[in-house]
Amino acid sequence: NAGVTQTPKFRILKIGQSMTLQCTQDMNHNYMYWYRQDPGMGLKLIYYSVGAGITDKGEVPNGYNVSRSTTEDFPLRLELAAPSQTSVYFCASTYGEGVRNTEAFFGQGTRLTVV
Amino acid sequence: GDSVTQMEGPVTLSEEAFLTINCTYTATGYPSLFWYVQYPGEGLQLLLKATKADDKGSNKGFEATYRKETTSFHLEKGSVQVSDSAVYFCAPLGGDYKLSFGAGTTVTVRA
Repeated sequence: NAGVTQTPKFRILKIGQSMTLQCTQDMNHNYMYWYRQDPGMGLKLIYYSVGAGITDKGEVPNGYNVSRSTTEDFPLRLELAAPSQTSVYFCASTYGEGVRNTEAFFGQGTRLTVV
Repeated sequence: GDSVTQMEGPVTLSEEAFLTINCTYTATGYPSLFWYVQYPGEGLQLLLKATKADDKGSNKGFEATYRKETTSFHLEKGSVQVSDSAVYFCAPLGGDYKLSFGAGTTVTVRA
């Protein structure tokens, strides 16, 4: 199994540009998450999804959008990139409801710099 | 929603020293508790977990016990190695399945 795959690994954006961070998982997990991790800081939840067609905001959703059209994919869209969005972004997935001891699987991260 | 208070770092230790990282949480319902580890340049990976009160999770010499009465899940290792240098995250998973993390504790082990 590939697990959770994120692309790209690195990206430099100019202020005002847009981009989509891709995340796909092949474990048939219901729950998927997007986090950002600023240097020396913990993870902050941006958006999460409990299944195809359902998304919810996390702690820091402003400036981002998500969609969940399939179980496998959970892309994160940045519109009008700002320097404050410079961060490392992680996607994660879990089995979700009904399986309390489930662990989360993480992608390798996308390092985004906005200049 | 769930929240986590984790011991602040950074923590610097010598090899073979004892490590403890405190974690207390608030969560909806009866959460499962996890410790994740992040090695430099990588994503997070599960270190250990516990799903009910008094359960002890263990892995790679690390241990943590689910203390429901004190809502704590402190991480310990009796003798650390240089390879344990990483960032450690405590994470409760409650009934809303909104996976939240503590701020992380950076641990550096010197030879």
